[in-house]
Amino acid sequence: DVKVTQSSRYLVKRTGEKVFLECVQDMDHENMFWYRQDPGLGLRLIYFSYDVKMKEKGDIPEGYSVSREKKERFSLILESASTNQTSMYLCASSRLSDSLGYTFGSGTRLTVV
Amino acid sequence: SQELEQSPQSLIVQEGKNLTINCTSSKTLYGLYWYKQKYGEGLIFLMMLQKGGEEKSHEKITAKLDEKKQQSSLHITASQPSHAGIYLCGADLQGAQKLVFGQGTRLTINP
Repeated sequence: DVKVTQSSRYLVKRTGEKVFLECVQDMDHENMFWYRQDPGLGLRLIYFSYDVKMKEKGDIPEGYSVSREKKERFSLILESASTNQTSMYLCASSRLSDSLGYTFGSGTRLTVV
Repeated sequence: SQELEQSPQSLIVQEGKNLTINCTSSKTLYGLYWYKQKYGEGLIFLMMLQKGGEEKSHEKITAKLDEKKQQSSLHITASQPSHAGIYLCGADLQGAQKLVFGQGTRLTINP
């Protein structure tokens, strides 16, 4: 069963901490994405990557960075966590040209206190 | 403002009733995707529409993309408790394989 795996379902971190959210896919997909989901706002794109060591800013990159050292792994980094980064974070992957859209992970609910 | 507008934002229907969720864009939709999300979980792909006038069905769920490719509707026939969840439309607005999403519609099915 192909899938996208996010390392943690729930995380609680303190303000100012550096936070790593990990995402691994086993489908050999070229594209990987990080979204955050907030009530009333839907999913908003933070960063995405079309290839290893490639990264592109999405709509709300401020306060975040990413790393893609291997094709299957895409990490989201909160350099200094703040309370307004409390959210549900969703990772997704897709083929370069794929009519089936994205495959999503189960999400990580991050709370920053 | 949202590039994709979904309506309604929430919907409560009696089990067995039909319902429709709409997704509207001011831009041409290169690809329109419907996803379902169970509360607190990831998104499950339902179907994808590309051509104007296209219609696809899976079990009791039908999705349509209008001729101008700027609006899509998701219709559920004879709703069941298993249909409850959040429905999101996602679209490629630039042909860049990067999806934007609507704010979601929360569907509750009452027995």
